[in-house]
Amino acid sequence: DGGITQSPKYLFRKEGQNVTLSCEQNLNHDAMYWYRQDPGQGLRLIYYSQIVNDFQKGDIAEGYSVSREKKESFPLTVTSAQKNPTAFYLCASSTGLAGRYEQYFGPGTRLTVT
Amino acid sequence: GENVEQHPSTLSVQEGDSAVIKCTYSDSASNYFPWYKQELGKRPQLIIDIRSNVGEKKDQRIAVTLNKTAKHFSLHITETQPEDSAVYFCAATQYSSASKIIFGSGTRLSIRP
Repeated sequence: DGGITQSPKYLFRKEGQNVTLSCEQNLNHDAMYWYRQDPGQGLRLIYYSQIVNDFQKGDIAEGYSVSREKKESFPLTVTSAQKNPTAFYLCASSTGLAGRYEQYFGPGTRLTVT
Repeated sequence: GENVEQHPSTLSVQEGDSAVIKCTYSDSASNYFPWYKQELGKRPQLIIDIRSNVGEKKDQRIAVTLNKTAKHFSLHITETQPEDSAVYFCAATQYSSASKIIFGSGTRLSIRP
């Protein structure tokens, strides 16, 4: 069963703690992305990666970090430096980074920080 | 950089009527405009797209139009059905170049029975 998975679906953390969100794909896609979705603000790009061991900051990278040690995996760490971490986080992947490639989204992780 | 504005933010239409969602973009280098649909509790999925070398594209009840001069593009849904209720996102990017895809803020479409 091919696809892109995210875990967990819901995540709760105390303020000041770092938390890592998982994203795995078995679509053999080169490019992977992390988006943050807030009500009324659409999808905002946090980080993206075109190939293994390479990644680029998106529009709202502050307070986040990523790694791309394997083609299949692109975990996102929400650090304590992120001022408003409570949000819905979507991971996506595509064949390549060019716009013509459809982005396949994971089911998302809803993070709540109190 | 690119900026995409989407209107309206919410839209309610009677079942069977048409719905129109409009977007504008700022970067003249953008030449590819996909639309994604996100049903409640589900992941966004591509439903239709258009390249800047055409002015209109149709797929059954949905169509997209593009005015490259004015940097406007729109999604048209005819004969709306309950399953059309969702959040719709427009986006702009470059078809062949490695570039970020910039999404609009989304439109929540509700179909009234």
